[in-house]
Amino acid sequence: NAGVTQTPKFQVLKTGQSMTLQCAQDMNHEYMSWYRQDPGMGLRLIHYSVGAGITDQGEVPNGYNVSRSTTEDFPLRLLSAAPSQTSVYFCASSYEEGQTQYFGPGTRLLVL
Amino acid sequence: KNEVEQSPQNLTAQEGEFITINCSYSVGISALHWLQQHPGGGIVSLFMLSSGKKKHGRLIATINIQEKHSSLHITASHPRDSAVYICAVRFGNEKLTFGTGTRLTIIP
Repeated sequence: NAGVTQTPKFQVLKTGQSMTLQCAQDMNHEYMSWYRQDPGMGLRLIHYSVGAGITDQGEVPNGYNVSRSTTEDFPLRLLSAAPSQTSVYFCASSYEEGQTQYFGPGTRLLVL
Repeated sequence: KNEVEQSPQNLTAQEGEFITINCSYSVGISALHWLQQHPGGGIVSLFMLSSGKKKHGRLIATINIQEKHSSLHITASHPRDSAVYICAVRFGNEKLTFGTGTRLTIIP
């Protein structure tokens, strides 16, 4: 099993550009989530999904969209990048909500 | 607001020392997680517990529900244990709340 994969590993964007961070898991997990990690702060939940076709907002959803058309994939879209979105983004999955989460390797995003 | 606090923020120790990292939380919880973030950035779940104690190799996690406190212990520490250790708590049915982490450095 590859576990949870994320692409790209690193990305530089200009303010106003859009992009999609990819996340995939091959463990047949129902629950998937996106977090951002900023210096001095704990991981913060952006969006999550409890199964294909079902998504919901987390703590910091503004400026991000998600979709879950399959169990395996959970992409995160930045609609119009802003410098405040400079961060490290982690995708995670678990069999169901509240269980042990498996994290992807992270995407480091720099918005200029 | 439900809060999670970790201490210390930074910890440096000599190889072989017994390490204790602490996590305190504000109200009752349904589960507590300990995570390890490697220097390269990857995050791995170490333990999930709601009561008592769990052990895996040289790592031991304990939780005291009455005192709203959990500890992560590392016995016979090794430089490869150098990482950031993160406590995350689930308050009731809410989403996980993460602590800011404890940066552990083990010197050979």
